[in-house]
Amino acid sequence: DADVTQTPRNRITKTGKRIMLECSQTKGHDRMYWYRQDPGLGLRLIYYSFDVKDINKGEISDGYSVSRQAQAKFSLSLESAIPNQTALYFCATSVPQGDLAKNIQYFGAGTRLSVL
Amino acid sequence: GENVEQHPSTLSVQEGDSAVIKCTYSDSASNYFPWYKQELGKRPQLIIDIRSNVGEKKDQRIAVTLNKTAKHFSLHITETQPEDSAVYFCAAKEDNNDMRFGAGTRLTVKP
Repeated sequence: DADVTQTPRNRITKTGKRIMLECSQTKGHDRMYWYRQDPGLGLRLIYYSFDVKDINKGEISDGYSVSRQAQAKFSLSLESAIPNQTALYFCATSVPQGDLAKNIQYFGAGTRLSVL
Repeated sequence: GENVEQHPSTLSVQEGDSAVIKCTYSDSASNYFPWYKQELGKRPQLIIDIRSNVGEKKDQRIAVTLNKTAKHFSLHITETQPEDSAVYFCAAKEDNNDMRFGAGTRLTVKP
């Protein structure tokens, strides 16, 4: 879905480096999410945000931080990358609760991160 | 919190046969159950969803059934085609909680 854009698409970095993954959306959705995908483990939620400046920890937030300075942007940071953070990272958006028909999550194309 | 288990992890069927993927969830308050399809190298995309007030939903060759008492739901694909080959993820969500995904099922449809 071109409305949810992730940058970079691929990144190789070294252990201990700081790295930021960016997500921007033109859907006008309030809610944004960061997931990581590992083989055999499905999609696991790292952080999510329901509005600007709202930050909530997900299933596996340790080692990550996020920033939601604007409705359209949600960035994920690895302050000191480690090899087991090598994964495929997805950003997603959804509309607010109140309309059960809109629980649908729209995913970006993913960022493949390798930490050496 | 919610825990979603998905089986099988891999499934291989012959073209034209049916495929069934099952998921169980732990939180009885969960009321929304989507299924996502992820083709190789692409992003997950919603293919069908069901809410707790219905027991079955169908969309052409795909259907989802929900058993709230037993806390399980299943994806059924009939007349499978090679383009159905992908990884399928189930998920469960309660209104005020985040979505929890199953580990995924890699479906291969052999021509």
